[in-house]
Amino acid sequence: SQTIHQWPATLVQPVGSPLSLECTVEGTSNPNLYWYRQAAGRGLQLLFYSVGIGQISSEVPQNLSASRPQDRQFILSSKKLLLSDSGFYLCAWSVVGSDNLYFGPGTRLTVT
Amino acid sequence: AQRVTQPEKLLSVFKGAPVELKCNYSYSGSPELFWYVQYSRQRLQLLLRHISRESIKGFTADLNKGETSFHLKKPFAQEEDSAMYYCALSGGGLTGGGNKLTFGTGTQLKVEL
Repeated sequence: SQTIHQWPATLVQPVGSPLSLECTVEGTSNPNLYWYRQAAGRGLQLLFYSVGIGQISSEVPQNLSASRPQDRQFILSSKKLLLSDSGFYLCAWSVVGSDNLYFGPGTRLTVT
Repeated sequence: AQRVTQPEKLLSVFKGAPVELKCNYSYSGSPELFWYVQYSRQRLQLLLRHISRESIKGFTADLNKGETSFHLKKPFAQEEDSAMYYCALSGGGLTGGGNKLTFGTGTQLKVEL
């Protein structure tokens, strides 16, 4: 069966520090991968998606970047965190062409 | 641009009472609508999609294109229905084969005894 992992679960980082959140999927090949963010009082906002290795599309301009070094690995990064980067980050995967997203457990990021 | 609006942050009902979680959308094309749910300490997961016209855990949702709504309904609320519910819209393909889901802000449903 397919599973999706995210880590860390919780992270507290100072402003200006770098960020690396990792997401891996098991039990499937060539999934679509997504990074969503949920800020307080807002819906889930799509940040990045990937349809293949090295293929990253950004939905909103921001201080973050994403990479997909392997088929089932998706990384969210930042060189210098801002206070506004605080939020709950969710990784998700789907079969190509499907609207059924499978979400990971999420990472709670607090930038202080 | 596509948008999903869930006007209620919190909805509290008594066990056995009817439930209606409101969702309105804005999209110029032909939308596909979904409800996702997150139970306490569990992951966000798909509950139902309008195209399937199915009832899941007693919940149904009808797409009303005239009112641009996709409200989630259940005739008799159960305690285990307490969760966060998100309405989502799929309005078009992403470059390369993905599908973009636009989510609402969510409604926390609390079923009281």
